[in-house]
Amino acid sequence: QKEVEQDPGPLSVPEGAIVSLNCTYSNSAFQYFMWYRQYSRKGPELLMYTYSSGNKEDGRFTAQVDKSSKYISLFIRDSQPSDSATYLCAMSAENSNYQLIWGAGTKLIIKP
Amino acid sequence: DTAVSQTPKYLVTQMGNDKSIKCEQNLGHDTMYWYKQDSKKFLKIMFSYNNKELIINETVPNRFSPKSPDKAHLNLHINSLELGDSAVYFCASSHGGNTIYFGEGSWLTVV
Repeated sequence: QKEVEQDPGPLSVPEGAIVSLNCTYSNSAFQYFMWYRQYSRKGPELLMYTYSSGNKEDGRFTAQVDKSSKYISLFIRDSQPSDSATYLCAMSAENSNYQLIWGAGTKLIIKP
Repeated sequence: DTAVSQTPKYLVTQMGNDKSIKCEQNLGHDTMYWYKQDSKKFLKIMFSYNNKELIINETVPNRFSPKSPDKAHLNLHINSLELGDSAVYFCASSHGGNTIYFGEGSWLTVV
């Protein structure tokens, strides 16, 4: 079993829909949770960063962490074609010596 | 002004050749990384340097050798290239380790 599981998709939704992207993990020591967005032929860019449990909102994006279920989510409201990209989750534990554990990435397609 | 820049962006070379990819960051970060992304988009860390000191050295062939002349630079040299080395190589940097900033990637094709 991988430490971080993420459905590779592709996930195809119509423009304007609410998108839910998820990752599950097995290591209860993880405390830092990140979502990165990667456009085709580009490097990943940090989208959301959360420490421990709870929600964080930034514009149309909301990151949720449920440590009891070992489950994190990224919600995108009012999705736009420009949101079409691969979304990668990443996480790490305290004192992990800069070692992030990555999900495989979910390819998201927003249809106009 | 690009935060993490790496060159070249595209590299096509023959098996057996030696090549280098250069990386520079102007963010003032103390940690730099090399990641490899395969055709299935899975990101795998190769090396990490903190203040010029190697702190992560994952199981990669010793044909791959990183070099960090200073905190702002981390280069990757690859000897005796093989077909399986074809991938995208990303340089990245961070301050503290969790929020990592990536370069645009270097697409390596070995023929």
